[in-house]
Amino acid sequence: QSALTQPASVSGSPGQSITISCTGTSSDVGTYDYVSWYQHHPGKAPKLLIYDVTNRPSGVSSRLSGSKSGNTASLTISGLQAEDEAHYYCSSYTSSGTVVFGGGTKLTVL
Amino acid sequence: QALLVESGGGVVQAGRSLRLSCAASGFTFRSYGMHWVRQGPGKGLEWVAVISYDGSKIYYADSVKGRFSISRDNSQNTLHLQMNSLRAEDTALYYCARGVTPGIYSGYDTWGQGTLVTVSS
Repeated sequence: QSALTQPASVSGSPGQSITISCTGTSSDVGTYDYVSWYQHHPGKAPKLLIYDVTNRPSGVSSRLSGSKSGNTASLTISGLQAEDEAHYYCSSYTSSGTVVFGGGTKLTVL
Repeated sequence: QALLVESGGGVVQAGRSLRLSCAASGFTFRSYGMHWVRQGPGKGLEWVAVISYDGSKIYYADSVKGRFSISRDNSQNTLHLQMNSLRAEDTALYYCARGVTPGIYSGYDTWGQGTLVTVSS
């Protein structure tokens, strides 16, 4: 159950777009369309942003979108805002019936 | 509105046991798979365990398999995590979470506020 691979940090200026990658294997991301993305502010519960690769829960901004190609999933945030500064995690269902998270990415809005 | 409230955390010596609970309200608890997720100090999120809506499917992370046991009481709308043989590396904030869909495969749209477990060596 190795963690999915995410960049430790990404940054962008307000109004710009950024993409966070999440690389797994053929036992998780590459086979199952059960990739999710979360935003996490310290001291608060994580917030679901994207589930099943591309689906946004109600209330989540359309500035956020998810995609997948092969063993890598991606989260794109367009029109960056100061409030987007947070930690972001991906997760995937695996062939073992378990779930694996990525190591997390710190997004800094410059 | 769906709500999850964890309890049962605390400070415990290594090798001892602790039982966490998660009280659910505002939704049909018996219809959803439920998960435990933890975050150690200075670390990222780590998935711990899942139980299907009826308890027929249960899976654990390798790091807790054989030591932790997840269960649910649908009559009481409560989720439990029995943690035995605790280790220092189990120190974390433990969240219970509900799947965004009734299955056990998709992400979690409802989280509790977390309960802190500290294992002293």
